[in-house]
Amino acid sequence: NAGVTQTPKFQVLKTGQSMTLQCAQDMNHNSMYWYRQDPGMGLRLIYYSASEGTTDKGEVPNGYNVSRLNKREFSLRLESAAPSQTSVYFCASSEPLAPTTDTQYFGPGTRLTVL
Amino acid sequence: AQSVTQLGSHVSVSEGALVLLRCNYSSSVPPYLFWYVQYPNQGLQLLLKYTSAATLVKGINGFEAEFKKSETSFHLTKPSAHMSDAAEYFCAVIANTGNQFYFGTGTSLTVIP
Repeated sequence: NAGVTQTPKFQVLKTGQSMTLQCAQDMNHNSMYWYRQDPGMGLRLIYYSASEGTTDKGEVPNGYNVSRLNKREFSLRLESAAPSQTSVYFCASSEPLAPTTDTQYFGPGTRLTVL
Repeated sequence: AQSVTQLGSHVSVSEGALVLLRCNYSSSVPPYLFWYVQYPNQGLQLLLKYTSAATLVKGINGFEAEFKKSETSFHLTKPSAHMSDAAEYFCAVIANTGNQFYFGTGTSLTVIP
């Protein structure tokens, strides 16, 4: 049981390049999330997927797109990377109970630098 | 709307001293509250959570937190700090009718030998 896995662990891009961050979970969770973590700003939600087939914008969605490929996988795409997107990106998953009391499980993060 | 405020971005304590990390929340509906810990170069791990059962919640590694509705607080404590407690700690809130977590900006804990 690997939990939440993310690839790659590190990435350096040039301004304008594109890339996709991959996330997979093996806990059969319905909900998945993408966050970015910047110094002094905590974690900010980029996009989330409450269930397979649905995605919603979070607090900072501009410059990103997501795909919920299936129940296990949730990818984050940067179409044209900008230096402001230099950050650490975390994927998380959770299984909402009724009422929603889910715990989020986090991946190890992807450290992205945009030059 | 929900939000959390963590008072003090950096806290230093001596080994063996009390750890107190502060979190105040704002929520228009009954909240569920969480504390997460992040060790260097790792993802976040759940320490404990409050989900409207007991107001005093015990978590892993000797940490506990008390939900105080009158003070809208959910402070994290540990009676005796260990060197291994040095990490970044995040408070988070979710409305019991919602799906989105809202994280605080984090508190970096340093433990002085």
